[in-house]
Amino acid sequence: QKEVEQNSGPLSVPEGAIASLNCTYSDRGSQSFFWYRQYSGKSPELIMSIYSNGDKEDGRFTAQLNKASQYVSLLIRDSQPSDSATYLCAIVAQKLVFGQGTRLTINP
Amino acid sequence: EAQVTQNPRYLITVTGKKLTVTCSQNMNHEYMSWYRQDPGLGLRQIYYSMNVEVTDKGDVPEGYKVSRKEKRNFPLILESPSPNQTSLYFCASSFETAGVDTQYFGPGTRLTVL
Repeated sequence: QKEVEQNSGPLSVPEGAIASLNCTYSDRGSQSFFWYRQYSGKSPELIMSIYSNGDKEDGRFTAQLNKASQYVSLLIRDSQPSDSATYLCAIVAQKLVFGQGTRLTINP
Repeated sequence: EAQVTQNPRYLITVTGKKLTVTCSQNMNHEYMSWYRQDPGLGLRQIYYSMNVEVTDKGDVPEGYKVSRKEKRNFPLILESPSPNQTSLYFCASSFETAGVDTQYFGPGTRLTVL
């Protein structure tokens, strides 16, 4: 089992809708959870971090963490074409490990 | 401007010809690391450094070397590149060990080994 698993997509969402990205992890000792956004040909940039169970909101982005079920998700409300990118989930247990990323396309 | 720089950005080379990819950060970060990114495999750590003269292997260190003689620089060395090292490489830095603090990524180096 991979340490961090994401559906590679592509995930296609109409403009204005909610995009939901999911990530599961295997190490129950994981303490820190991150979402990075990566535009095609560019470097990853951190958009959200979450450390405790529940929801964390930042503008149109909401990160959700459920340690009992070992998943972390990212919701993007009012999706815009500029949100089209690959979203990488990253988890810290013994070290920082990235998922393979989910490619998101927002259709105008 | 706070940044991580990498050079070159693009490189096409041949099997066996030694090359170095430079990485430099101007944020006085303690922690630096190198990743490679391949389709379907995500970002995989090659080497990391927690401070000057302290380096350690990541998940895929075979075929690579690094050094950390100065805090700001962390070059990646391929002594004898092979085609399976064709990839997109990112250098990253953070003030503390990755995961505790935000990682800042360089712009990437696209390497092709023929």
